[in-house]
Amino acid sequence: EVQLVETGGGLIQPGGSLRLSCAASGFTVSSNYMSWVRQAPGKGLEWVSVIYSGGSTYYADSVKGRFTISRDNSKNTLYLQMNSLRAEDTAVYYCARVGLGDYVYYFDYWGQGTLVTVSS
Amino acid sequence: QSALTQPASVSGSPGQSITISCTGTSSDVGSYNLVSWYQQHPGKAPKLMIYEGSKRPSGVSNRFSGSKSGNTASLTISGLQAEDEADYYCCSYAGSSPVFGGGTKLTVL
Repeated sequence: EVQLVETGGGLIQPGGSLRLSCAASGFTVSSNYMSWVRQAPGKGLEWVSVIYSGGSTYYADSVKGRFTISRDNSKNTLYLQMNSLRAEDTAVYYCARVGLGDYVYYFDYWGQGTLVTVSS
Repeated sequence: QSALTQPASVSGSPGQSITISCTGTSSDVGSYNLVSWYQQHPGKAPKLMIYEGSKRPSGVSNRFSGSKSGNTASLTISGLQAEDEADYYCCSYAGSSPVFGGGTKLTVL
C-alpha cells in the first residue's frame, strides 16, 4: 500500500528556516517524480516544486531561490528545505507522487499534509 | 501562470447531475489534454478523481467523468450523493509547471 507521511511543520518566525520531510512506503521515491503542493488556510491548491527521477528539480516562481526539494534514497524520503520564510508561505504542505508519464500535471497519491505557520 | 478559473460554488439535489467548469487559456488547457481533477473533503488531503482529461483511477466511481472543449475542461458528477459534497479542483499542464484552478465548493442540497 502506498503511503506518504509528512513531518516537520510548525510555527516559525519570518525570515526563518524549516525542513519538511515526507516518508514514503509502498513504492520507491527515487523511481518516481515527486512534488510538494501547498494550500494556504481557506485557499486553493498551489504547486510548489517537483523532483524528477533523474534528479532535476523545478520550482514555482513564488518559492524559487528560497526552497529546495531533495530526497534521500536510502531513507525513501522526500524533503523540502524552506529558507527566508514569509507570512505568505503559511499553508498546509502536502507531498504527492506525480502520476506516470512525462508531464507533471496529476498527482495520484498524497500525504496527510503538515501545517507551516510563519508568524512573529 | 495564472490560476485556472472555476466557479466558486455549484449545488445540486441527490440523484441529479452537475458540471464544474475549468477555464484556462491556449497555453494550458487548450494546448494539452493533460487535465486532472481532485476531490477534497474538509481537513483531508485531495484525492485524484480524473486524469488525462477523462480517465478514472482505479476505485473512482464511474459517476465521475471528465471532458474538454477548447480552453475549458469540465467535471460531471451524475447521480449526486451526499458524500460528493466537497471542494473540487482542476489542474492542467502549462508547459513548464502545473497550474491549479481556484476550486469549486459542491453542495448537495
